[in-house]
Formats: sequence, C-alpha cells, structure tokens
Amino acid sequence: DVKVTQSSRYLVKRTGEKVFLECVQDMDHENMFWYRQDPGLGLRLIYFSYDVKMKEKGDIPEGYSVSREKKERFSLILESTSTNQTSMYLCASSLWGEQFFGPGTRLTVL
Amino acid sequence: GNSVTQMEGPVTLSEEAFLTINCTYTATGYPSLFWYVQYPGEGLQLLLKATKADDKGSNKGFEATYRKETTSFHLEKGSVQVSDSAVYFCALRGGKAAGNKLTFGGGTRVLVKP
Repeated sequence: DVKVTQSSRYLVKRTGEKVFLECVQDMDHENMFWYRQDPGLGLRLIYFSYDVKMKEKGDIPEGYSVSREKKERFSLILESTSTNQTSMYLCASSLWGEQFFGPGTRLTVL
Repeated sequence: GNSVTQMEGPVTLSEEAFLTINCTYTATGYPSLFWYVQYPGEGLQLLLKATKADDKGSNKGFEATYRKETTSFHLEKGSVQVSDSAVYFCALRGGKAAGNKLTFGGGTRVLVKP
C-alpha cells in the first residue's frame, strides 16, 4: 500500500514564526503536491513538483515556498506565518492518475 | 480554466436512505473525473473514477457516471450506512496539457443518522 506521511497532525504557531511541514511518500512517485483545505473551498493547490529540485506554483502560492531535495520528500515552508494561514494542509503523491493523500496537518496561527 | 461545482452540504439522512450528491464541471478537452472521500480525522482517499464519457465508476456501493453531454458526474448510493458519514469531493484531472493536477469541488459533508 502507498503510504504518505506528514510530520505533524497538529501545530500551533504564533504570527511571524517560521513553519516547516514535511511530507514523505514510500512509493517512488515522481509527482508530489501540497494543498490547503478550508471549509466550503475544497482543496486548493499551493505548489507541486514533478521531479527532484523541480517545483511549480499552484493556484495559491503566495506566502509559501517548497523544497524537494529528495524524491520521497516534499516540504512546505511558511516563512512568516499569518493568521490567514490557519488551515488544514494536505500532501499528496502520484505517479500518474490517482493521488494518494497523507492524513493532513491542522495548523493554527495565533 | 477548469472548475468543479458540487452541491453544498451538509446532507443529513437516515440509514438505508438513497444518497445523491450532484457534481458538474467545466473543462477543456477530455478530463478524467474522480470522487474522493474524507472520513473524520483522515486524509482523502479515492472512492471511484471514470476516464471517458459514459464510463461508470463504482466502489463500496457508490456509483457515478461520466456524462459529457451534461458535464456531470453525480455520486449515488442506494442505501447508506452510518459509516458513510464523511466529506465527499468531486475532482477532475485535465488533459495532458494540464499535467497531473486535480481541480476539486468545495466538498459535501454527509451525515447519516441511525
């Protein structure tokens, strides 16, 4: 079974702090994605990556950056958190077709 | 660009009732269509999919038919159980030019009462 793990289930941070969210997949997938999930808005794509060291902006990249130094690992970085970044963050990976999701990280910014 | 519209919830129904969640889409080309389900406290998991017009996806008693003429992919289940309580997302993947990105609807929360 494909497994996608995320480094934390819950995080609470103060405005202005730096946050790293890490995602690891164990199926040698080339494609990895970061989404945020907000009520009524569904999932919105922040960034994605088709290969190591490669990244592309999604629909809402402002305030975020990413890093993919190894194929299995895709990190989402919030350089200086703001309250409007309080959300559920979901990571996914795929080879082609179905995306496999991690359990999510619920981030609260106070 | 691509977009997906699904009915807003929450949808509350009794066990053994019939469930329909409407989903319509806008896309260029020939998208693939998906339904994902998110159980409480978990990530999303694929429920079913259809890759071309008139295909029917099915899984766990759920069905959805890809209707190109009405640009729809409505989800149905004939007799729901309490364990079907979850949030359901309709999604599409565009053609090759769109890469492997998915576009999601807003999600529909379903609550099944015993």
